[in-house]
Amino acid sequence: GQNIDQPTEMTATEGAIVQINCTYQTSGFNGLFWYQQHAGEAPTFLSYNVLDGLEEKGRFSSFLSRSKGYSYLLLKELQMKDSASYLCAVMDSNYQLIWGAGTKLIIKP
Amino acid sequence: SQTIHQWPATLVQPVGSPLSLECTVEGTSNPNLYWYRQAAGRGLQLLFYSVGIGQISSEVPQNLSASRPQDRQFILSSKKLLLSDSGFYLCAWLVGGDTGELFFGEGSRLTVL
Repeated sequence: GQNIDQPTEMTATEGAIVQINCTYQTSGFNGLFWYQQHAGEAPTFLSYNVLDGLEEKGRFSSFLSRSKGYSYLLLKELQMKDSASYLCAVMDSNYQLIWGAGTKLIIKP
Repeated sequence: SQTIHQWPATLVQPVGSPLSLECTVEGTSNPNLYWYRQAAGRGLQLLFYSVGIGQISSEVPQNLSASRPQDRQFILSSKKLLLSDSGFYLCAWLVGGDTGELFFGEGSRLTVL
């Protein structure tokens, strides 16, 4: 079966750095996505990785290792507004998105 | 500009009642559209997707149905709701044809009592 694993919840301090991991087992691979979802709201696109390596976008970076079936989202200089759930999703060989359950990130002052 | 609207935002329905959720997009033509359901503690579940008018693909057998009566309109329906239909329903539009990036509507929170 296809599976996306990510921690259920993480806590970090304002101003710090946090890394949210995602491991996947899917039928093929056509890209990995990270979305941010604030409570009660729709997910919004953060990043897309299809090749190995690090993609940086401001305070957020996303890393991919296809051989390890592994990705992480790195958030720097955490702000209170970063409190949200972070969803990892993988596009399989049929170009269907397989979603993880999300990681709820709690930022404390 | 490109936008996507969903309504109603919130609804509470009794078991056995019908359902209709609507989604419309603006600023594009012939979009690929999706209906997802998000249950607490679980990943997004793809319910239906559509690549054009009248073209619906169902991913999960259930008591829900979808229709695409117009190019930029996607409707999710049920004739008789079940308790298990409760959840957060999201309409999405494929904005990144090369990357698969989805743009989501505001969502509709359904509670079935």
